[in-house]
Amino acid sequence: DTGVSQNPRHKITKRGQNVTFRCDPISEHNRLYWYRQTLGQGPEFLTYFQNEAQLEKSRLLSDRFSAERPKGSFSTLEIQRTEQGDSAMYLCASRQQGPGELFFGEGSRLTVL
Amino acid sequence: AQSVTQLGSHVSVSEGALVLLRCNYSSSVPPYLFWYVQYPNQGLQLLLKYTSAATLVKGINGFEAEFKKSETSFHLTKPSAHMSDAAEYFCAVSVRSGGSNYKLTFGKGTLLTVNP
Repeated sequence: DTGVSQNPRHKITKRGQNVTFRCDPISEHNRLYWYRQTLGQGPEFLTYFQNEAQLEKSRLLSDRFSAERPKGSFSTLEIQRTEQGDSAMYLCASRQQGPGELFFGEGSRLTVL
Repeated sequence: AQSVTQLGSHVSVSEGALVLLRCNYSSSVPPYLFWYVQYPNQGLQLLLKYTSAATLVKGINGFEAEFKKSETSFHLTKPSAHMSDAAEYFCAVSVRSGGSNYKLTFGKGTLLTVNP
């Protein structure tokens, strides 16, 4: 399978714990995006990488959130000191340059108790 | 700023009936527009896209959408609904956000229910 891969698919954690999600994009795509989706809402942009450079961050991305893309390949999204409001589906997507479509992974669902 | 508005958070149709999901966009430049489908606990799958070529765009699973500049609309249709079409549908616009970066801005989604 050469699509976008995300893991874990599901994560249940207690408030205050740290969690990390991983995304492996389509190999020839140099653009990688993270989105957050809460129940009944459309995906909301969090951050974007071009190769290893993080070029844009949304105001939704508080200082408890950090994303990396070392070597311009896979990416990680870490949430520190999780809060119940962080419960959501975290979607990763990738594409080549330009305004075309994004290719999404299956998502990582976070539940904070 | 570019944005999309989906009219109707929930649409219910009978199997075999016409499906019409509405999307209006706001853009100061010619937009790139997309429809995605999402099944429960899954990611988003592209149904179709408009990239300034033909105004009537055909996608997967028998869906199509027509770009109407005068109405700033990009409504999604399917002549005959199937039970497997039950899902959430999202309209999105590609937004330039600096340099060569583009990101997608999504509507809030429309949940399609298909009744037997």
